[in-house]
Amino acid sequence: DAEITQSPRHKITETGRQVTLACHQTWNHNNMFWYRQDLGHGLRLIHYSYGVQDTNKGEVSDGYSVSRSNTEDLPLTLESAASSQTSVYFCASSEGGFNQPQHFGDGTRLSIL
Amino acid sequence: RKEVEQDPGPFNVPEGATVAFNCTYSNSASQSFFWYRQDCRKEPKLLMSVYSSGNEDGRFTAQLNRASQYISLLIRDSKLSDSATYLCVVNEESGGYQKVTFGIGTKLQVIP
Repeated sequence: DAEITQSPRHKITETGRQVTLACHQTWNHNNMFWYRQDLGHGLRLIHYSYGVQDTNKGEVSDGYSVSRSNTEDLPLTLESAASSQTSVYFCASSEGGFNQPQHFGDGTRLSIL
Repeated sequence: RKEVEQDPGPFNVPEGATVAFNCTYSNSASQSFFWYRQDCRKEPKLLMSVYSSGNEDGRFTAQLNRASQYISLLIRDSKLSDSATYLCVVNEESGGYQKVTFGIGTKLQVIP
């Protein structure tokens, strides 16, 4: 069955370190998204991509970057981790078009000490 | 005004009750709408799309009111397993791209 997987599921790291969260989908979806979810804020969009070599900033993109070298993967990098980036991170994908729902990975729980 | 607003709750209802949630959106040009369910510490899962004419899936009914710019979710005969947070999602076109906005979610607790 097609799916979307995130790794790692949990990570603890120190401030200032570079961290990369992986997202891999086998649906062959063009659209991929990264969100963070914090209490009181709901899901907030970090970056998104509509296809290979396409990346766009979302609502809370500062301190994060993504790259899209193939259809299946959209890794999220925290260039220099900050404690404010402690959060739960969700990756999602969807088919093209404005009426398509997103499908989410299991999430990565990231703690920055 | 927030782009998508939901009452965070919690809504505490007894088993068997009917409960309804609303979600208002600010952009009248919004094109598609969804309800997601999220269990504690898990990923959001698509519950149902919301169609202009309204749609039903078992005990769940979704409706769209474009004139008043809100969507609703009705759950009949509530089960304990319905306890979760329900997120509304609004899609719109923005500069040729899809803009997806999630509500903060409404927490439902079904009580025995």
